[in-house]
Amino acid sequence: DAGVIQSPRHEVTEMGQEVTLRCKPISGHNSLFWYRQTMMRGLELLIYFNNNVPIDDSGMPEDRFSAKMPNASFSTLKIQPSEPRDSAVYFCASSLVFSGNTIYFGEGSWLTVV
Amino acid sequence: GIQVEQSPPDLILQEGANSTLRCNFSDSVNNLQWFHQNPWGQLINLFYIPSGTKQNGRLSATTVATERYSLLYISSSQTTDSGVYFCAVESPDSNYQLIWGAGTKLIIKP
Repeated sequence: DAGVIQSPRHEVTEMGQEVTLRCKPISGHNSLFWYRQTMMRGLELLIYFNNNVPIDDSGMPEDRFSAKMPNASFSTLKIQPSEPRDSAVYFCASSLVFSGNTIYFGEGSWLTVV
Repeated sequence: GIQVEQSPPDLILQEGANSTLRCNFSDSVNNLQWFHQNPWGQLINLFYIPSGTKQNGRLSATTVATERYSLLYISSSQTTDSGVYFCAVESPDSNYQLIWGAGTKLIIKP
């Protein structure tokens, strides 16, 4: 299996611009997670989908962040407008079931907002 | 909520040495996983081990759920073992959310 695939791997954008991060989970997995990692805050769960439905988005920092999962093989995380404090590594992860199972991470999208 | 503590926070070893990393958790868990984040930032799942012992090559892990700790053993360390090792748990109360430890930063010197 190809694993969890994220794009872009690296992005540098100017403050105020829209950023879209993409994720393809492992085929057959029905749970998808978006995490953010920074030095200050470590790994934070932003949002979680089960069977393409957003279950909990309480970790989404503010209204500038939105996430969608239109089908079982694709998800996006959008930041609009972006701010320098959004600079972080954004990880997508998937698992076979939502609880009690191994979770697999993508390689991450390294975002820098200048 | 449940607390996850990892020790030591930092560990520097010579290539070939063995190491033991510890993860303590403050309450019952129904899921415990060990991850390795390599120097390039990639997070790799090492073990799903809510209880018992598992081995994968030079790595093994043991979780004693009744005593609320897990150990990760690395034998004959290689420079490629360098990185940060995270323990993450899921408690019955946290539902799907993994609660992460702060990690152990391991540096293996050649």
